[in-house]
Amino acid sequence: GAVVSQHPSWVICKSGTSVKIECRSLDFQATTMFWYRQFPKQSLMLMATSNEGSKATYEQGVEKDKFLINHASLTLSTLTVTSAHPEDSSFYICSARGGDRGLSSSYEQYFGPGTRLTVT
Amino acid sequence: AQKVTQAQTEISVVEKEDVTLDCVYETRDTTYYLFWYKQPPSGELVFLIRRNSFDEQNEISGRYSWNFQKSTSSFNFTITASQVVDSAVYFCALSEYGNKLVFGAGTILRVKS
Repeated sequence: GAVVSQHPSWVICKSGTSVKIECRSLDFQATTMFWYRQFPKQSLMLMATSNEGSKATYEQGVEKDKFLINHASLTLSTLTVTSAHPEDSSFYICSARGGDRGLSSSYEQYFGPGTRLTVT
Repeated sequence: AQKVTQAQTEISVVEKEDVTLDCVYETRDTTYYLFWYKQPPSGELVFLIRRNSFDEQNEISGRYSWNFQKSTSSFNFTITASQVVDSAVYFCALSEYGNKLVFGAGTILRVKS
């Protein structure tokens, strides 16, 4: 159980275009989803936290108008990179946390496999 | 503010050697969770362990063991009899009340045959 998928697993796009990345919790309801970004040979940095039905909370330095996050249902969150540029090329990883699996596991975050974005 | 420090950027060992990955954390909260993740070249994060701040018991899982010491704010990870398949980047992370995870910089482990 507790499987999180991401689609696509990799994407190449041209500079100036927008790219949408989906994050789905397959067997549980994710009340909260997190989006992380990882540049090559670096650690994961949280970009934003989204709760189902409400606006995402962005970390300092993350442009909310550039990285649009929508968490419209308990099993799906999307990250749209608008007007992508080469510096947005990165590995994007989502994680999902459910709140209905008992106290000890309700704090567990389950990670998706990641999406590698290359902007040319 | 929360902070996780993994001072070892890269470690190289020969197969069958034991290796310890260090993790030191900072937090003001009394209730928090510590994690270790493995990231192989494929990129997918593999969950290894979660520890809450009230449980200082050391844990062993096969060749893996973890030493949690609140007195030194450390949560070290030891791999016994390392194997080539253990080669990966290992991240230590901290979370307060299930909120966002703060990751350390990661330690690259290279196990040579």
